[in-house]
Amino acid sequence: DGGITQSPKYLFRKEGQNVTLSCEQNLNHDAMYWYRQDPGQGLRLIYYSQIVNDFQKGDIAEGYSVSREKKESFPLTVTSAQKNPTAFYLCASSWSVATNEKLFFGSGTQLSVL
Amino acid sequence: DQQVKQNSPSLSVQEGRISILNCDYTNSMFDYFLWYKKYPAEGPTFLISISSIKDKNEDGRFTVFLNKSAKHLSLHIVPSQPGDSAVYFCAASANTGRRALTFGSGTRLQVQP
Repeated sequence: DGGITQSPKYLFRKEGQNVTLSCEQNLNHDAMYWYRQDPGQGLRLIYYSQIVNDFQKGDIAEGYSVSREKKESFPLTVTSAQKNPTAFYLCASSWSVATNEKLFFGSGTQLSVL
Repeated sequence: DQQVKQNSPSLSVQEGRISILNCDYTNSMFDYFLWYKKYPAEGPTFLISISSIKDKNEDGRFTVFLNKSAKHLSLHIVPSQPGDSAVYFCAASANTGRRALTFGSGTRLQVQP
């Protein structure tokens, strides 16, 4: 069954702590994305990656980092520099960032600060 | 600066009637538009899309209309069903080499039985 798997579903962060959100896809997509959703707001782009070992900042990259060592995986680290990390985080994938097409989304991770 | 705007945070309609969700955009470079449906604590799922070369696209009960001169698009759901109750996001992409989607803030649709 092809799709995008995000884990964990819920995550709690202490002050000054870095946390990593996992995203795995078996759709054989080249492009992967991280979005953040705050209550009453749309999804905002954090980072995206077109191919392995390459990634680009989105609109709100400050306080976040990513890696793309494998095609299937695009983990997001929320660093201590991100002062307002509480949000719902969504990972997505598509064949390419350069063409018109829909994104496929995972089921999300809710991150909260303790 | 919100480039994609959904000015109605919520909408309530009766089962069987038409639901009309609206979306406005400001970026003239947007040339591809999509609607996503989202349930709580889940990821959005793709509903329907439209290219800027068209003004209408239909898929079953869902029709998207695009008015380029007004920079406005709308999603029509006919007839509305209780299972359609969800948050609907409008999204757009621009012909700038980076086609990561820009999303609106969403409209919560409630279909009353």
